[in-house]
Amino acid sequence: QQQVKQSPQSLIVQKGGISIINCAYENTAFDYFPWYQQFPGKGPALLIAIRPDVSEKKEGRFTISFNKSAKQFSLHIMDSQPGDSATYFCAAARWYQLIWGAGTKLIIKP
Amino acid sequence: EAGVAQSPRYKIIEKRQSVAFWCNPISGHATLYWYQQILGQGPKLLIQFQNNGVVDDSQLPKDRFSAERLKGVDSTLKIQPAKLEDSAVYLCASSPQGGNTEAFFGQGTRLTVV
Repeated sequence: QQQVKQSPQSLIVQKGGISIINCAYENTAFDYFPWYQQFPGKGPALLIAIRPDVSEKKEGRFTISFNKSAKQFSLHIMDSQPGDSATYFCAAARWYQLIWGAGTKLIIKP
Repeated sequence: EAGVAQSPRYKIIEKRQSVAFWCNPISGHATLYWYQQILGQGPKLLIQFQNNGVVDDSQLPKDRFSAERLKGVDSTLKIQPAKLEDSAVYLCASSPQGGNTEAFFGQGTRLTVV
């Protein structure tokens, strides 16, 4: 019940395309859903986050779509750029807990 | 605002030796995390502090790993004795208050055990 399942494990997208990464959770008590971006040799950094009272949040080219009834959320990267190539982690949190997905390695081909 | 500081950045030790990592979180952050990240994998939580109390150390190999958070601020993580499989990046992160607030990560310490 504490797991967060993330897919796909890896993703290759052409420059200018849309990158989509999906996550699913089971514990309905989670109340914070962040996405972290990690570049090689760096620690993860918060990219965008959503709380379950909204179904979508957009920041620039990055959008989180949240489906509370399906217990799923996804990250969409519009107009993907080579600089977006990184590993992306979804997570789910409540109170003191922060549960991580396994990560998606995204490669944007020029 | 200063970020999360970690030292050292890199460490190479022989198996069975001991090693210590240091973390200075962002000022005022109540929650401090230590993660282990093996190459190609996601971060694995080792221990989480809320102020100077431990709230989760269920995945900490307590026979060889120990951690403390002095006066609810700085923290040290120690491995004694190290094994080959401890080779990983050790990440420290802090957040204002618990898991449902943004966690800020340090650069990490890359440990190689030979």
